[in-house]
Amino acid sequence: NAGVTQTPKFRILKIGQSMTLQCTQDMNHNYMYWYRQDPGMGLKLIYYSVGAGITDKGEVPNGYNVSRSTTEDFPLRLELAAPSQTSVYFCASSSGGRPDTQYFGPGTRLTVL
Amino acid sequence: GDSVTQMEGPVTLSEEAFLTINCTYTATGYPSLFWYVQYPGEGLQLLLKATKADDKGSNKGFEATYRKETTSFHLEKGSVQVSDSAVYFCALNGGSEKLVFGKGTKLTVNP
Repeated sequence: NAGVTQTPKFRILKIGQSMTLQCTQDMNHNYMYWYRQDPGMGLKLIYYSVGAGITDKGEVPNGYNVSRSTTEDFPLRLELAAPSQTSVYFCASSSGGRPDTQYFGPGTRLTVL
Repeated sequence: GDSVTQMEGPVTLSEEAFLTINCTYTATGYPSLFWYVQYPGEGLQLLLKATKADDKGSNKGFEATYRKETTSFHLEKGSVQVSDSAVYFCALNGGSEKLVFGKGTKLTVNP
């Protein structure tokens, strides 16, 4: 079982460029999440999805977009990258049961210059 | 809304020392409580969890007890190892789809 996989591991963008962070899970989980982790600040929820075709905003959605066309995939799109989006991005998934244990991918380290 | 407060780090200990990382929470109802660990360069992974008052979660020598009267879920380990060096996150799930995380506590264990 691969669990939650994310690509790429590292990326450097120039201001104004766009990119998509990929996330795939093979656990047949309905729930998927995108977080960003800034140094010393814990994790902030960007977007989440409770099933294919359903997405919702988290704490910090501005500058990002998501889609969920399949159960397995939950890509995060950055439009017009800004230095404030420099961060480590984590994708996670869960079955949605109680307790709702989330399983995390290894992360994507993004730098916007 | 729901929130988690955990002790600020960094925490530096010598090998075989006793570890406590404090975590308190604010939530309505009966949340589930979690400790996640993040090793250097990796994503978060579940360390232990508890779903109701007085439950004790345990894993890899770590323990935490769900104390509703003090709204706490402190993480403890009797004898830390160098390999325990990581960032530890306390989190709660109040019944929605989302986890609420603390800011994390960085632990460094020196040989």
